[in-house]
Amino acid sequence: AQKVTQAQTEISVVEKEDVTLDCVYETRDTTYYLFWYKQPPSGELVFLIRRNSFDEQNEISGRYSWNFQKSTSSFNFTITASQVVDSAVYFCALSLGGSEKLVFGKGTKLTVNP
Amino acid sequence: EAQVTQNPRYLITVTGKKLTVTCSQNMNHEYMSWYRQDPGLGLRQIYYSMNVEVTDKGDVPEGYKVSRKEKRNFPLILESPSPNQTSLYFCASSAGATYNEQFFGPGTRLTVL
Repeated sequence: AQKVTQAQTEISVVEKEDVTLDCVYETRDTTYYLFWYKQPPSGELVFLIRRNSFDEQNEISGRYSWNFQKSTSSFNFTITASQVVDSAVYFCALSLGGSEKLVFGKGTKLTVNP
Repeated sequence: EAQVTQNPRYLITVTGKKLTVTCSQNMNHEYMSWYRQDPGLGLRQIYYSMNVEVTDKGDVPEGYKVSRKEKRNFPLILESPSPNQTSLYFCASSAGATYNEQFFGPGTRLTVL
């Protein structure tokens, strides 16, 4: 069975600090897809990134970066120089190749204080 | 504008009174899904649909029904709501769940008294 663990329930940082959100996944499949979604206080869910199991390249998008490591089954998300607008709940999710199911982690609530 | 819409956005009802939450997307997506979000539990999939007339259970389907008669619509039906179905519900669509990101509706906050 597939599973996603986000061990950090809540994180609080001060603006401009760097912060890493952890995501550990479990699956026996060799083909799978990992996602990060953001849920700001307004409640909507916003897609951030997708990564497939065959692409271990790290990705950077502005202040956001993602570190995918199959050896440790992790797909961690780092925000550099955090800002108050980054305050949100962040979800990591996993889907398997050939399956239409998407399994979410329980989310990490990030609070960035001014 | 590409979007997923849900109605109603807020609903307070009583135990046993049948209700339907509508979901519609204008992106011609084949895949649609329903999730519920509860504190400390994240999002859990209720039902999903890979295309018209094709639906399947997610992880928490008990107490819910769905139908997919048209590609754009995927209503969630609670035949006899109970207080443990009080939750925040999200509908989502994508061109295919496996590798494409899902687009989420704004959410429906349901309270069952």
